Amino acid sequence: KAGVTQTPRYLIKTRGQQVTLSCSPISGHRSVSWYQQTPGQGLQFLFEYFSETQRNKGNFPGRFSGRQFSNSRSEMNVSTLELGDSALYLCASSWYAGPSYNEQFFGPGTRLTVL
Amino acid sequence: AQRVTQPEKLLSVFKGAPVELKCNYSYSGSPELFWYVQYSRQRLQLLLRHISRESIKGFTADLNKGETSFHLKKPFAQEEDSAMYYCALSGSGGADGLTFGKGTHLIIQP
Repeated sequence: KAGVTQTPRYLIKTRGQQVTLSCSPISGHRSVSWYQQTPGQGLQFLFEYFSETQRNKGNFPGRFSGRQFSNSRSEMNVSTLELGDSALYLCASSWYAGPSYNEQFFGPGTRLTVL
Repeated sequence: AQRVTQPEKLLSVFKGAPVELKCNYSYSGSPELFWYVQYSRQRLQLLLRHISRESIKGFTADLNKGETSFHLKKPFAQEEDSAMYYCALSGSGGADGLTFGKGTHLIIQP
């Protein structure tokens, strides 16, 4: 069974631009969560989508948004990029919503660099 | 607010020696605790969770609610255990996703 895939793997943008990252979950998984990983803050929860609905959201500004499609694929968008948005963005999928009793499988991540 | 603290950024032990990676948490309710591992050039993956009470790759972790700790232990370290280890917490029925610690880089020396 194919694992979680994320595209693109690397991305370079400039301040003020916007970016869209994509995540394809494991077949059959209906929940997709997004995390931001930086050297300073570590891994931080961004949001989770389940059955095309945002189930919950972490403490990030409104510039960070996402959506999920009927095939469970998910995209996250960051508008008006700032230098501090440079990070590894990880996507994780699972059968059901929430990490409780429900293993999350992580993708390889998208490395975003903002210049 | 929920928080996970891993006090050691780096832990180096010799092969065959016991290993203990520390994890302390702050959460007002009943949390679920996990250990995730990332081997070199591989994805982050679940190692074990406290509700399973199982040993994975020789590792065990016990949830101590009194000390709010969830330390990861292995009696005899192996070179293939070298990796980044992250302790994570899920509270509120998972409503806030996983809260991760900053991670501990474990190096097993031959």
